[in-house]
Amino acid sequence: AQTVTQSQPEMSVQEAETVTLSCTYDTSENNYYLFWYKQPPSRQMILVIRQEAYKQQNATENRFSVNFQKAAKSFSLKISDSQLGDTAMYFCAFSLRLSNDYKLSFGAGTTVTVRA
Amino acid sequence: EAQVTQNPRYLITVTGKKLTVTCSQNMNHEYMSWYRQDPGLGLRQIYYSMNVEVTDKGDVPEGYKVSRKEKRNFPLILESPSPNQTSLYFCASSFWAASPDTQYFGPGTRLTVL
Repeated sequence: AQTVTQSQPEMSVQEAETVTLSCTYDTSENNYYLFWYKQPPSRQMILVIRQEAYKQQNATENRFSVNFQKAAKSFSLKISDSQLGDTAMYFCAFSLRLSNDYKLSFGAGTTVTVRA
Repeated sequence: EAQVTQNPRYLITVTGKKLTVTCSQNMNHEYMSWYRQDPGLGLRQIYYSMNVEVTDKGDVPEGYKVSRKEKRNFPLILESPSPNQTSLYFCASSFWAASPDTQYFGPGTRLTVL
């Protein structure tokens, strides 16, 4: 079974500064996907960024970037130039796509508060 | 507009009274899934479906039922709800064959069982 661990329940950051969220996972598989989802107060789940395990290059999406360390099974999210609209809960997620199965596992979440 | 819809958005019920939460998607997705979200536990998968008439248990299936008679609909059924099923529920769908990562989530259903 795959597990995803987010060790930071809450984080606070000043507007325009940078914050990094940590995520570790456990799997014996070699091919998988990793994601960060954002859940603002509206509760909608929004995909922020994704990473395929076979790609060495770290994914980037505007102000959001990841640091993927496959050997360490670590997948951190960096939010640069934080904006008030970034205030949300962030979930790290892991998925395997097997021949006849697909499962997405989530971490417990990190609440990020951006201060004005 | 491509979307996943859930109804109702809020529901307060009593122990033992059967209820159904509907989920519908208009994107012709094969894959659909139900999750529950609880504080400190993230989202946990209840049931999922790879296609019509194909359903499988997720991590926390006890007390729930699902059906997939049509591609677009994936209702979640609680035959005899209990207070420990008070939670926030999300339905999601994706083209699992093409891009399994891009899961589209519904707006969520807040369920309270008294």
